[in-house]
Amino acid sequence: GAVVSQHPSWVICKSGTSVKIECRSLDFQATTMFWYRQFPKQSLMLMATSNEGSKATYEQGVEKDKFLINHASLTLSTLTVTSAHPEDSSFYICSATKTTGTYYSYNEQFFGPGTRLTVL
Amino acid sequence: AQSVTQLGSHVSVSEGALVLLRCNYSSSVPPYLFWYVQYPNQGLQLLLKYTTGATLVKGINGFEAEFKKSETSFHLTKPSAHMSDAAEYFCAVSDRNQGGKLIFGQGTELSVKP
Repeated sequence: GAVVSQHPSWVICKSGTSVKIECRSLDFQATTMFWYRQFPKQSLMLMATSNEGSKATYEQGVEKDKFLINHASLTLSTLTVTSAHPEDSSFYICSATKTTGTYYSYNEQFFGPGTRLTVL
Repeated sequence: AQSVTQLGSHVSVSEGALVLLRCNYSSSVPPYLFWYVQYPNQGLQLLLKYTTGATLVKGINGFEAEFKKSETSFHLTKPSAHMSDAAEYFCAVSDRNQGGKLIFGQGTELSVKP
């Protein structure tokens, strides 16, 4: 159990267009989902945390109007890159947890396979 | 604020040799610590984690790590490297007060020579 999928696995788009990436928890309900960005040969940088039914919390330096996150159900979160530009080209990875972590217990993040975005 | 430092962006070992990937962390509260592996163009797979209890943690594929509070370290080891271990490895820390948010190290690319 605890499988997370992402769609599409790769996408190429023209500069100025918007791209939507889906993250789904296939066999569990995900209270919290995280979106990461990874540049080639670099680490993962957390972009935002989303909880079902509430607004996403963005990390410092991440433009919330450019990277729209929607967590409309317990199994689906979407990341929309609006007016994409070549510098947005990256590997986007989502993760999901079954419940919200607390001080006394940690809930493992299950990672999706990633989506490679190339903006021409 | 939390941070993670992985010493060595690239480690190369011979097949059958000991694997040692270094990770040091900074955290103001007792941390949760993790090692993940990433194969090219794939997501992350959890190798092992430390939350509480025994400081020597055993994970999948023969890997283990030891939490040393006095040294603020969580180094990853494997007694004998296999060719299939070649991948990118990430150490990560989570602040118990932040609901599971992970901070990743820079990553270490492990190469295994035949």
